[in-house]
Amino acid sequence: AQTVTQSQPEMSVQEAETVTLSCTYDTSESNYYLFWYKQPPSRQMILVIRQEAYKQQNATENRFSVNFQKAAKSFSLKISDSQLGDTAMYFCAFWMNRDDKIIFGKGTRLHILP
Amino acid sequence: SAVISQKPSRDICQRGTSLTIQCQVDSQVTMMFWYRQQPGQSLTLIATANQGSEATYESGFVIDKFPISRPNLTFSTLTVSNMSPEDSSIYLCSVEQPRSYNEQFFGPGTRLTVL
Repeated sequence: AQTVTQSQPEMSVQEAETVTLSCTYDTSESNYYLFWYKQPPSRQMILVIRQEAYKQQNATENRFSVNFQKAAKSFSLKISDSQLGDTAMYFCAFWMNRDDKIIFGKGTRLHILP
Repeated sequence: SAVISQKPSRDICQRGTSLTIQCQVDSQVTMMFWYRQQPGQSLTLIATANQGSEATYESGFVIDKFPISRPNLTFSTLTVSNMSPEDSSIYLCSVEQPRSYNEQFFGPGTRLTVL
């Protein structure tokens, strides 16, 4: 069975700093997708960034980028120039075609401090 | 991206009663999902609801407790039956749109408290 592990339950950084959230996963499949979702306090879950496993190039979305290490089964999220609005719960997630459902990690609660 | 609404946004219910949660999408989607999220915790998939077929339930969830309807491509309901305080949670629906590279779009959630 596929698993997703986020080893950092909670993190705090100062505004404008860079922060990296860790995620590892376990699968025997070669074709899958990885996601980072953001859930702000009392607000809706939204997708931050997506990575296709067959792509070697790391995905980037403005201040958000990933470090995808397929052999190590690692998928970390880097947030540059962090802003107060980045305060949220961040979930790493895994999807593959065979199961056709997303598996979520337990989440990392990120606090951006003024 | 899909716009998803849920009703009610929150409710407080008595033990032993049932609550039906509605999920409405602004576009036609094939796959809809229902999740449960304990406060501050991760999401647990309850079931996958495809239009025109019976919902597929995950281990630990049964149809008698969580009946789901999917009458068309834009709407679904989840009923939490014979509620107990352990059912207090946030219930979220999500959808997967065609050509969205398996991205799921989430509704705002329904916060349920069972007394």
